[in-house]
Amino acid sequence: AAGVIQSPRHLIKEKRETATLKCYPIPRHDTVYWYQQGPGQDPQFLISFYEKMQSDKGSIPDRFSAQQFSDYHSELNMSSLELGDSALYFCASSAAPLGTQYFGPGTRLLVL
Amino acid sequence: AQKITQTQPGMFVQEKEAVTLDCTYDTSDQSYGLFWYKQPSSGEMIFLIYQGSYDEQNATEGRYSLNFQKARKSANLVISASQLGDSAMYFCAMREGGSNDYKLSFGAGTTVTVRA
Repeated sequence: AAGVIQSPRHLIKEKRETATLKCYPIPRHDTVYWYQQGPGQDPQFLISFYEKMQSDKGSIPDRFSAQQFSDYHSELNMSSLELGDSALYFCASSAAPLGTQYFGPGTRLLVL
Repeated sequence: AQKITQTQPGMFVQEKEAVTLDCTYDTSDQSYGLFWYKQPSSGEMIFLIYQGSYDEQNATEGRYSLNFQKARKSANLVISASQLGDSAMYFCAMREGGSNDYKLSFGAGTTVTVRA
């Protein structure tokens, strides 16, 4: 079965640079979620989209923005990167806002 | 306040034995969902099992079962017949019932190590 696709899988950036993470949900899933997992931490919710509209917002820094496109893929844009942004970033998708969330493999971001 | 509490940072279990991972939750919502995810050392987050707050029967998925005790607000995961491949971090998570509340809140996780 098709799973959530995330790209890139690994990313190394310098402080103050920008990064764009991409997420392709499972086909026919209309809801996308972004989570950040720091080293040794549990995942923390950043933001979600349902039918291309922002549906919920968590502890996402103002330096980050995200959107969902007409084909339901989503991008997380991160600017002015800081060392503390180094983490595993997950995208998840569900068939409906209250459906089970299936996670992608994650993008491992390292900020130097 | 912590919404999900997992009190066991780490557990060891012998291959072929069963293991129970504890999870308690805190919510004032009547409608909510409880999930368990497995995270191997490779990092991916794998969905294991789901229990809805209105489900009268405990959820089961293969070797995984969820011991749901609503009055005690607990949702313990039972893994039967442990295998070496079960060694991983296990997260309990909750989605509350608000109409605009889609996020999962996770516990701190429990590391399970299966011994041969």
